[in-house]
Amino acid sequence: DIQMTQSPSSVSASVGDRVTITCQASQGISSWLGWYQQKPGRAPNLLIYAASSLQSGVPSRFSGSVSGTDFTLTITSLQPEDFATYYCQQANSFPLTFGGGTKVEIK
Amino acid sequence: QVQLQESGPGLVKPSETLSLICAVSGYFISSGYYWGWIRQSPGKGLEWIGSLYHTGTTYYNPSLKSRVTISLDRSKNHFSLILSSVTAADTAVYYCARLGAGAAARTMDVWGKGTTVTVSS
Repeated sequence: DIQMTQSPSSVSASVGDRVTITCQASQGISSWLGWYQQKPGRAPNLLIYAASSLQSGVPSRFSGSVSGTDFTLTITSLQPEDFATYYCQQANSFPLTFGGGTKVEIK
Repeated sequence: QVQLQESGPGLVKPSETLSLICAVSGYFISSGYYWGWIRQSPGKGLEWIGSLYHTGTTYYNPSLKSRVTISLDRSKNHFSLILSSVTAADTAVYYCARLGAGAAARTMDVWGKGTTVTVSS
């Protein structure tokens, strides 16, 4: 199985800050990676697929990138509605696996 | 617009079988896509349970494979999850989801709201 190591597990930030979350795959997955946002009591919401493609309706302050097996989700200019937990997920092959999550909290 | 809705008992006794249904509206599931189940234990992260293709081909999480069955009911336009011999560790919110296609293949682009299942006597 492909393991996804996500860091940090939590980050404190202020409105307007730039936030970066990383995910490392245990083996090569090309660009087969998705990023999700989850708010308390809600289902996850797909933000980015194929490592860097923005899902329809997602604000452009969210972006994704890849370098080898390292993936990054960047939120530029954090907004109040962005405080949530973020997960990466490898989409290269079954079994599908998620990172452990990153909680973005208000500083 | 595709919508998914989970349903099933909220309480299951230990050692019994958990059965959930995901009703799909806005799309005929026999027409395409992978469909799947994901769960989230209280305060924990997301765990993929398994997925099935519209043809009926299935893939399961190896850690649950011996206890899981996911199947399609084309006539009712829904798919189901059966998890046998449940324990307290199976207490979770269970989500159903559609997996995307093309560049979004195997990412979950449409989700149900989730249903809470508690395993307790």
